[in-house]
Amino acid sequence: GESVGLHLPTLSVQEGDNSIINCAYSNSASDYFIWYKQESGKGPQFIIDIRSNMDKRQGQRVTVLLNKTVKHLSLQIAATQPGDSAVYFCAELGEYGNKLVFGAGTILRVKS
Amino acid sequence: DTGVSQNPRHKITKRGQNVTFRCDPISEHNRLYWYRQTLGQGPEFLTYFQNEAQLEKSRLLSDRFSAERPKGSFSTLEIQRTEQGDSAMYLCASRLAGNTGELFFGEGSRLTVL
Repeated sequence: GESVGLHLPTLSVQEGDNSIINCAYSNSASDYFIWYKQESGKGPQFIIDIRSNMDKRQGQRVTVLLNKTVKHLSLQIAATQPGDSAVYFCAELGEYGNKLVFGAGTILRVKS
Repeated sequence: DTGVSQNPRHKITKRGQNVTFRCDPISEHNRLYWYRQTLGQGPEFLTYFQNEAQLEKSRLLSDRFSAERPKGSFSTLEIQRTEQGDSAMYLCASRLAGNTGELFFGEGSRLTVL
């Protein structure tokens, strides 16, 4: 079946440094991926998405890279700030494109 | 529009009691989803509706769980005879069918079963 997972459960970075959060997926037929940020006690918040016909997509301070050969997704956050501290999830649009399938999440801790 | 709204935000109940959660999606969104999230895990799909029709239910959803969306607007999720293992955050999300996969999530309803 489908599965989306993350390599690192916790990532600690110094304020101002860049952060890289990784994600592996298993369904080679997936064609749409999203990164969500979730702060404590809140619902997931959309960060950035990417379709499988792209390798890279940039937003404000964030970049998503997609490597379809090895089924790997990463989220890069530039100049990480304390407000970036949260849990980050990658999600894959599941079979038939009807629902998102989430990975387990990576905790990002930003040290001041 | 203020986004997806869920209530109650917190519910503490005793084992065996029934609980009901309500979700009000973004008004023009015809798709509504329920997810469950336990500590340290990603949201787990439970069910979704397109308008008033419930189109898919997770195999993980026991018979004690039922969801409705009678008029294609708000939705309720009821859990009967709650068990301690039902303790989790219940998240509602909505989107327009045919759009991108982005789901807009509510803040969730946290259930604690004693």
